[in-house]
Amino acid sequence: RKEVEQDPGPFNVPEGATVAFNCTYSNSASQSFFWYRQDCRKEPKLLMSVYSSGNEDGRFTAQLNRASQYISLLIRDSKLSDSATYLCVVNRDDKIIFGKGTRLHILP
Amino acid sequence: DAGVIQSPRHEVTEMGQEVTLRCKPISGHNSLFWYRQTMMRGLELLIYFNNNVPIDDSGMPEDRFSAKMPNASFSTLKIQPSEPRDSAVYFCASRMTSLNQETQYFGPGTRLLVL
Repeated sequence: RKEVEQDPGPFNVPEGATVAFNCTYSNSASQSFFWYRQDCRKEPKLLMSVYSSGNEDGRFTAQLNRASQYISLLIRDSKLSDSATYLCVVNRDDKIIFGKGTRLHILP
Repeated sequence: DAGVIQSPRHEVTEMGQEVTLRCKPISGHNSLFWYRQTMMRGLELLIYFNNNVPIDDSGMPEDRFSAKMPNASFSTLKIQPSEPRDSAVYFCASRMTSLNQETQYFGPGTRLLVL
């Protein structure tokens, strides 16, 4: 089993809709969690960190469920510019593991 | 700030040739990471340095790969000899490792094609 797993998608979602995807991790000792965004042929960029209490940044909400070992990302009122690949990142003892990403296409 | 700088941006070479990828981290960052990204395997950490010292090179595929960081502002990843299966995008990232600072900043990547 991979240490970090994501549904590769693609998720095809109409503009304005809400979309959510999860990422599961296998090692309960994982310490910190992040979502990165990667546009086509570009480098990954930090979207948001994921805190135990959950956190929100505008239309984006990230949550962590340690008991079930998953993190989630919710995007409300999706925009065409949200089309990208979303990478889940897990940090354990300074070992950084990226998921393979979930592709999101926002349809006009 | 110029961000993480990588060169070359594109490299096409023939099997057996030596390839050297270069990275300049963001000034003041004390951790540097080399990643490889392919469609099949996603983004894989190859090696990372803390204060110019290699900490974890368990992701380096084999002896053909080597990485150095002679000073805080420069790192190289070398492949010798290169093989077609090394074709990928190689990213360098840097980070200021301190309390509550875990964000990695990625360079634009080097697209390597080995024929």
